[in-house]
Amino acid sequence: QQQVKQSPQSLIVQKGGISIINCAYENTAFDYFPWYQQFPGKGPALLIAIRPDVSEKKEGRFTISFNKSAKQFSLHIMDSQPGDSATYFCAASSDYGTASKLTFGTGTRLQVTL
Amino acid sequence: DGGITQSPKYLFRKEGQNVTLSCEQNLNHDAMYWYRQDPGQGLRLIYYSQIVNDFQKGDIAEGYSVSREKKESFPLTVTSAQKNPTAFYLCASSLTRDRGENNEQFFGPGTRLTVL
Repeated sequence: QQQVKQSPQSLIVQKGGISIINCAYENTAFDYFPWYQQFPGKGPALLIAIRPDVSEKKEGRFTISFNKSAKQFSLHIMDSQPGDSATYFCAASSDYGTASKLTFGTGTRLQVTL
Repeated sequence: DGGITQSPKYLFRKEGQNVTLSCEQNLNHDAMYWYRQDPGQGLRLIYYSQIVNDFQKGDIAEGYSVSREKKESFPLTVTSAQKNPTAFYLCASSLTRDRGENNEQFFGPGTRLTVL
């Protein structure tokens, strides 16, 4: 059962445009929602994360919007650059003991064209 | 230079052989994780460990085994019982929640396993 649904699967955006990736979750126990960026052949790296007590978080050109009632959250990349071309994963976690079990979306391959 | 190391980067094995993937971290993290990544399926949790000598199954543990004898090390064995072992394997580590609010998982560079 896929608990975090991510869309679109791939995205092409022109340089300077806005990239938007959406995720929806089912488990209301999730309390931490990170976005990871992965370049080919590398491990994912944390980009930005949010907790459900806020509706938006911004770090530089990256913004997470969170809608608790709809159980949805999205990543917005403003002024997209070719260097942003990568695969982006949303994730969600809930506690199990003291570790954080992340459930990942299926990923969005972003290509930013010149 | 702190981080997570995985070795080797590429690994080839014959079908029916067990293989062990290495993961070492010097971040002083208590929790460690193993994920499998397949095209179009994101990352799926295989096993995780909150503390030395303790580990729990993730969502796809069948055909895999782990050990956690040292805080720094969390090796993963892909056994012959794993039906489709060819994949990209990622190791991660994090602080545990009793040591702070930061749940960030730090990932290693991955090992690409190909079973011939």
